[in-house]
Amino acid sequence: DAKTTQPPSMDCAEGRAANLPCNHSTISGNEYVYWYRQIHSQGPQYIIHGLKNNETNEMASLIITEDRKSSTLILPHATLRDTAVYYCIVRVAKTNAGKSTFGDGTTLTVKP
Amino acid sequence: ETGVTQTPRHLVMGMTNKKSLKCEQHLGHNAMYWYKQSAKKPLELMFVYNFKEQTENNSVPSRFSPECPNSSHLFLHLHTLQPEDSALYLCASSHRERGNTGELFFGEGSRLTVL
Repeated sequence: DAKTTQPPSMDCAEGRAANLPCNHSTISGNEYVYWYRQIHSQGPQYIIHGLKNNETNEMASLIITEDRKSSTLILPHATLRDTAVYYCIVRVAKTNAGKSTFGDGTTLTVKP
Repeated sequence: ETGVTQTPRHLVMGMTNKKSLKCEQHLGHNAMYWYKQSAKKPLELMFVYNFKEQTENNSVPSRFSPECPNSSHLFLHLHTLQPEDSALYLCASSHRERGNTGELFFGEGSRLTVL
């Protein structure tokens, strides 16, 4: 699976959009981009995934660049409960999901 | 509520004790996993079960013994642990059918402290 690079930490003001970047310059054509988050001392939670088109669900939007070498997770109106570690993972979709490599992620702190 | 339930949520045990962690998923998934998360470290995959068969053991010491009696239940049996085994143990499940993009669903974790 391709390696990803994320900033170690970011701050965001409550109510503002949080934009979390991820670089995956060695991504292969059949690898998807997945995002998870982990709130302190809980299990990681799936947020969203995409291949090459932008995706949106009730939690977030995922913007993938045309060359697929980077992506941005957008939380449109961050709340204090969005404070968590956010993980960007790239993986071939139909391989064993459990082999996803969770790196250090980005610690997002939403401030009042 | 993720559909993956882990018990107990917290466990304190001595090095000579034997205990078990339990995981149950209500999602109809056919793959289940155990992960270990030590303080300030990334998640480490320990075991993988597909259709109740263990398909991966990532060099986990034998003092950790997994059991998967059916595709909905997964256990992690613990014996003669060391203090460095203290960690958050996470169970996850996913679906491996064709066409499914296989996102992971995690339980809340079992926080283990070995004295």
